[in-house]
Amino acid sequence: AQTVTQSQPEMSVQEAETVTLSCTYDTSENNYYLFWYKQPPSRQMILVIRQEAYKQQNATENRFSVNFQKAAKSFSLKISDSQLGDTAMYFCALPPSGNTPLVFGKGTRLSVIA
Amino acid sequence: DGGITQSPKYLFRKEGQNVTLSCEQNLNHDAMYWYRQDPGQGLRLIYYSQIVNDFQKGDIAEGYSVSREKKESFPLTVTSAQKNPTAFYLCASSMAWQPQHFGDGTRLSIL
Repeated sequence: AQTVTQSQPEMSVQEAETVTLSCTYDTSENNYYLFWYKQPPSRQMILVIRQEAYKQQNATENRFSVNFQKAAKSFSLKISDSQLGDTAMYFCALPPSGNTPLVFGKGTRLSVIA
Repeated sequence: DGGITQSPKYLFRKEGQNVTLSCEQNLNHDAMYWYRQDPGQGLRLIYYSQIVNDFQKGDIAEGYSVSREKKESFPLTVTSAQKNPTAFYLCASSMAWQPQHFGDGTRLSIL
């Protein structure tokens, strides 16, 4: 069975600094996707970034980037130039296959401090 | 604009009452999902449906029921058998291998 582990329940970062959130996973699939979602205090679930396992290049979306290490089954999220609006819960997620439900990690609560 | 609409935003349930949470999507997605989120916790899967007229139980299906009569709609009923229904409920939809799109959620409380 697929599993997703986020080992940092809470983190904090100073505004304008860089922070990295960790995620490790386990899957027997060779081709798959990985996602990071953000849940701000409004509780909306917002897709931050996605990575396709067959692509060696790490995904980047503006200030958000990932460090994807397939062999190590690691998928960390780096937030550069942190902003107050980045304060949120961040969830790492993995779809077991096709249209089966995502397997979510337990989340990391990130606080950006002015 | 395409998206997922959940209603109502806030819902109150009396003792012994069944309540239904609505979830509608116009994204033409095949799959739909219901999650429960307790304060400070992650998402737990209640039910999901990959095609019309078919659905599967998730990790915490007891006390809940669903239907999928139309592709666009996946309502969730919280029955009186669910003894601790106070939570935030999120509906999502997706196509195969694509990220799930989420609604804005419904907050259910007990009167």
